[in-house]
Amino acid sequence: GESVGLHLPTLSVQEGDNSIINCAYSNSASDYFIWYKQESGKGPQFIIDIRSNMDKRQGQRVTVLLNKTVKHLSLQIAATQPGDSAVYFCAENNAGNMLTFGGGTRLMVKP
Amino acid sequence: GAGVSQSPSNKVTEKGKDVELRCDPISGHTALYWYRQSLGQGLEFLIYFQGNSAPDKSGLPSDRFSAERTGGSVSTLTIQRTQQEDSAVYLCASSYFGQGGTGELFFGEGSRLTVL
Repeated sequence: GESVGLHLPTLSVQEGDNSIINCAYSNSASDYFIWYKQESGKGPQFIIDIRSNMDKRQGQRVTVLLNKTVKHLSLQIAATQPGDSAVYFCAENNAGNMLTFGGGTRLMVKP
Repeated sequence: GAGVSQSPSNKVTEKGKDVELRCDPISGHTALYWYRQSLGQGLEFLIYFQGNSAPDKSGLPSDRFSAERTGGSVSTLTIQRTQQEDSAVYLCASSYFGQGGTGELFFGEGSRLTVL
């Protein structure tokens, strides 16, 4: 079936560096994508989203890039901080309106 | 409150017992999801309710698992004859697909189930 997957299960970065978390999706019909952040002991929280008619969207310190040609989604975090340490999930919304989640990437920020 | 509420936040039970987990979604949200998350793992989809449509139960791992959504609002996830491998955090999320809605999921804090 269709699925969303991640390339790296764990990413370790130095505080202050930029982080890039990647996600591959296989459903070409998906038209809406979301990144979620899950801190330890909490439910996932919305970070940023992007629709398929866009290639890039920026938020505060975060940027999501969408490459529909290769079905790839990435989350860029600028000047990574210790508070960014969490598990990050990408999710896609296809025509059925049900969100499908990727496997998640753990981001560890070293001081 | 304004967010998704789940109860209990923690549940410890003995193997073989039945448990019920409750989810109060955000008022007006048409869709409700249940996910399971084992320690250090990703989100495992269990079941999806959307409006009055038949639920998508394709993620339920066995017939010991069932879920209901009454009146299009509150949902209960029931696990019968619990097993140790059922130990996990059970997350509920809701979303709105009406005009102006994006389908973004709003998650509760989860119910942590421990089966001894």
